[in-house]
Amino acid sequence: DQQVKQNSPSLSVQEGRISILNCDYTNSMFDYFLWYKKYPAEGPTFLISISSIKDKNEDGRFTVFLNKSAKHLSLHIVPSQPGDSAVYFCAASAGAQKLVFGQGTRLTINP
Amino acid sequence: SQTIHQWPATLVQPVGSPLSLECTVEGTSNPNLYWYRQAAGRGLQLLFYSVGIGQISSEVPQNLSASRPQDRQFILSSKKLLLSDSGFYLCAWTHGRLSNQPQHFGDGTRLSIL
Repeated sequence: DQQVKQNSPSLSVQEGRISILNCDYTNSMFDYFLWYKKYPAEGPTFLISISSIKDKNEDGRFTVFLNKSAKHLSLHIVPSQPGDSAVYFCAASAGAQKLVFGQGTRLTINP
Repeated sequence: SQTIHQWPATLVQPVGSPLSLECTVEGTSNPNLYWYRQAAGRGLQLLFYSVGIGQISSEVPQNLSASRPQDRQFILSSKKLLLSDSGFYLCAWTHGRLSNQPQHFGDGTRLSIL
């Protein structure tokens, strides 16, 4: 049972444009959501998070949106840069600090 | 600042051999510690987590075990490796007493079973 799903395994975006990565979840008890970025042969790096009491959180070029009624969150990166090329994981927790991860989306930024 | 170390970075082991992967955290006390595995093309699967010395919770039945002999040390072990144990193993930590905190990951160990 996949509680957190990233339905797009890959995404290509032109440099300077907006990248939008999507994530859906099924467990209505999730109250904390995170995005991680991962380069090959490295551990994931924490990017940005949002709690269920908010619907938007922004940090520089990164913005996370949460739609609780649709059980959907998204990560917007604008403008996209070549260094943003990586695999992005969304994750969620239900208060117990155990994270459930999606399968990841490989983002490629084209010059 | 806090840092997390995992070693070795890569490991090639024959089927049936034992395994010991080590993870240590510096710069914090009483962290929650986690072991994950990422199989090829898959997401991160939580294997074990620990909220204190000697306290281990297993998330999936498997051929592996974990131990926490010291506050900031987390060890992943196996007595006899299987081919299916191949993967990328990641250790992570988070603040033990705070809720809604991100987990921070080490650089992982690439384990190949031959």
